[in-house]
Amino acid sequence: DAMVIQNPRYQVTQFGKPVTLSCSQTLNHNVMYWYQQKSSQAPKLLFHYYDKDFNNEADTPDNFQSRRPNTSFCFLDIRSPGLGDTAMYLCATRRQYNEQFFGPGTRLTVL
Amino acid sequence: AQTVTQSQPEMSVQEAETVTLSCTYDTSESDYYLFWYKQPPSRQMILVIRQEAYKQQNATENRFSVNFQKAAKSFSLKISDSQLGDAAMYFCAYRSEDGTASKLTFGTGTRLQVTL
Repeated sequence: DAMVIQNPRYQVTQFGKPVTLSCSQTLNHNVMYWYQQKSSQAPKLLFHYYDKDFNNEADTPDNFQSRRPNTSFCFLDIRSPGLGDTAMYLCATRRQYNEQFFGPGTRLTVL
Repeated sequence: AQTVTQSQPEMSVQEAETVTLSCTYDTSESDYYLFWYKQPPSRQMILVIRQEAYKQQNATENRFSVNFQKAAKSFSLKISDSQLGDAAMYFCAYRSEDGTASKLTFGTGTRLQVTL
C-alpha cells in the first residue's frame, strides 16, 4: 500500500546530542512537510519542501534542519536537542491540489 | 494570517448518540478549504472530511457531516451514531487555495470521549 513511513517511531536522545528523524513516502507526492506536535497541542509546521525548494517557517529555530535527497525521502535533523524539543514529529505529504497525508509520527524524548 | 478556533477542549458522547464539535475561523480570503482531522491516541492523523469554500452544500462522509456557514466563518462537525472507535482528538484545519505549498492552519483540538 502507498504510504508515509516514519522511522524510528520512538527516539530517546540526550540533551545536546544530534538526532535525525526520517520520513519516506511511496505516494510520489511533490510536497513534504515536517510538523512538531507537543503534548495536547496542535501540530506546528516547521518547514516544507515543494519539490526541491525548501521553505522554512519564520519561527522555526535554527536548531532544526531538513534534507530531501530525493522525492521519496525527507529528513529532520535536530543539531542540539533541548528538553523543550520533546514532542511528536509528524511528516506529511501532498500532491498539488490534494490534501495532506500524514505519517504515524516519531515520538522524540530528550533527556 | 488565518486563525482557527476550537472552543471545546473536551467533549463526551454516549455510544450511538450524536455529537457536534465546533470550529470557527478567521480569514479575508474567499477561496479556501476546511478540514477535520482525527488523531486517535498514539496513532496516525487521518482526514475525516473536507469542505471547499466555494461549495454551498455541506460535505458528508458516512456518519460524519459538517455544517459550513461561510458568512459566519463556522465549520462544525457532526458525528452521528457515535462509536467507541470515534474516541480521538479532532482537529479543525484551514488551508488557503494558493496552489503551491498550501499550508494547514490547525485549531487547538477537541478531545472526544465516547462512553458506553
